[in-house]
Amino acid sequence: DTGVSQNPRHKITKRGQNVTFRCDPISEHNRLYWYRQTLGQGPEFLTYFQNEAQLEKSRLLSDRFSAERPKGSFSTLEIQRTEQGDSAMYLCASSPEGDRGVYEQFFGPGTRLTVL
Amino acid sequence: AQTVTQSQPEMSVQEAETVTLSCTYDTSESDYYLFWYKQPPSRQMILVIRQEAYKQQNATENRFSVNFQKAAKSFSLKISDSQLGDAAMYFCAYRSNFGNEKLTFGTGTRLTIIP
Repeated sequence: DTGVSQNPRHKITKRGQNVTFRCDPISEHNRLYWYRQTLGQGPEFLTYFQNEAQLEKSRLLSDRFSAERPKGSFSTLEIQRTEQGDSAMYLCASSPEGDRGVYEQFFGPGTRLTVL
Repeated sequence: AQTVTQSQPEMSVQEAETVTLSCTYDTSESDYYLFWYKQPPSRQMILVIRQEAYKQQNATENRFSVNFQKAAKSFSLKISDSQLGDAAMYFCAYRSNFGNEKLTFGTGTRLTIIP
């Protein structure tokens, strides 16, 4: 399977704990995105990488959130001191750099976080 | 900031019939992209169809077509010959063409197919 993969698929944690999610984009996709989706809502943009550079961060990404993409390959999203409001599905997507009009983002299956 | 509105939380259609999902958006930009994504239950989101704002012709992908009304800022999705596999959440999304890579999504429409 050459699609976007995310691990773990599910994570249950206690409030105050730190969690880390991993995203492996489609090979050779240089753009990687993180979104958060809460129940009954559409995905909301969190952050975006082009290769290893983090080019944009949403105001939703508080100081407790950090994302990295070392070497421009896989990416990690860490949430420190989790709160119940962090419970959501965290989606990763990747896209190739392309000509005008070629901007499809391919989504992974997501990591569902439950904070107790 | 751009916003995307989907005013139909749920829709249902008889198998083999046609259904139209509505989407409106708000932007001050003239150059952008619009997308419809499908999210089946417990499965990942996949692109259904996309439309470039500079193209007047409505996009079509097999049974899926859009009605893009730029002046009205409307972007509806028509699904013809509905199939059981079309059952999913459908999200309308906006992407600027001015250096901002993010997708802005609506709240989604849950489509049920009645056998």
